[in-house]
Amino acid sequence: SQTIHQWPATLVQPVGSPLSLECTVEGTSNPNLYWYRQAAGRGLQLLFYSVGIGQISSEVPQNLSASRPQDRQFILSSKKLLLSDSGFYLCAWRRTGGTYEQYFGPGTRLTVT
Amino acid sequence: AQSVTQLGSHVSVSEGALVLLRCNYSSSVPPYLFWYVQYPNQGLQLLLKYTSAATLVKGINGFEAEFKKSETSFHLTKPSAHMSDAAEYFCAVSDGNNDMRFGAGTRLTVKP
Repeated sequence: SQTIHQWPATLVQPVGSPLSLECTVEGTSNPNLYWYRQAAGRGLQLLFYSVGIGQISSEVPQNLSASRPQDRQFILSSKKLLLSDSGFYLCAWRRTGGTYEQYFGPGTRLTVT
Repeated sequence: AQSVTQLGSHVSVSEGALVLLRCNYSSSVPPYLFWYVQYPNQGLQLLLKYTSAATLVKGINGFEAEFKKSETSFHLTKPSAHMSDAAEYFCAVSDGNNDMRFGAGTRLTVKP
């Protein structure tokens, strides 16, 4: 079976500090990978997706970047955090082809102070 | 472009009552439709999916949804609410590419 991990689970960072959130998927190969942000009381905003190693598509211009150094590893980064970067960050994966459902990780709660 | 509208940001039902969460979609191609559930401080869990095989889709935890093309709807129902059903529910639509759009969510409260 497939499993998706995210860490850390919670993070409190000061404004201007760097960020690195990691997501890994087990039990599948060549997944499509996604980063979403969920602001308090709101829906999900797609930030980045990747269809393969080194292939990143950005949906929203912002203070964040993503990388995929390995097939099942997806990293979300920032050089300098803003207050507006606070939120709940979710990583998701789906099989290439198939019926397009995405499977989500447990999320990382980021608070920028 | 595709989109999803969830009618009602909050729904409250009594335990044992019918649950009905409304979702309307817009898509220029035959859509793939999904319902997800989110418990506090957790990720989203797939409840069910519509992929054109059958218009009435059964999911986990006793939930089901019916695809109605003429109404562009995909409402989620459960005959009898349980306290454990209290959560946030999201409807989502995909065009088969890397573009899944989510509704704003409906918070379900179950009263004893």
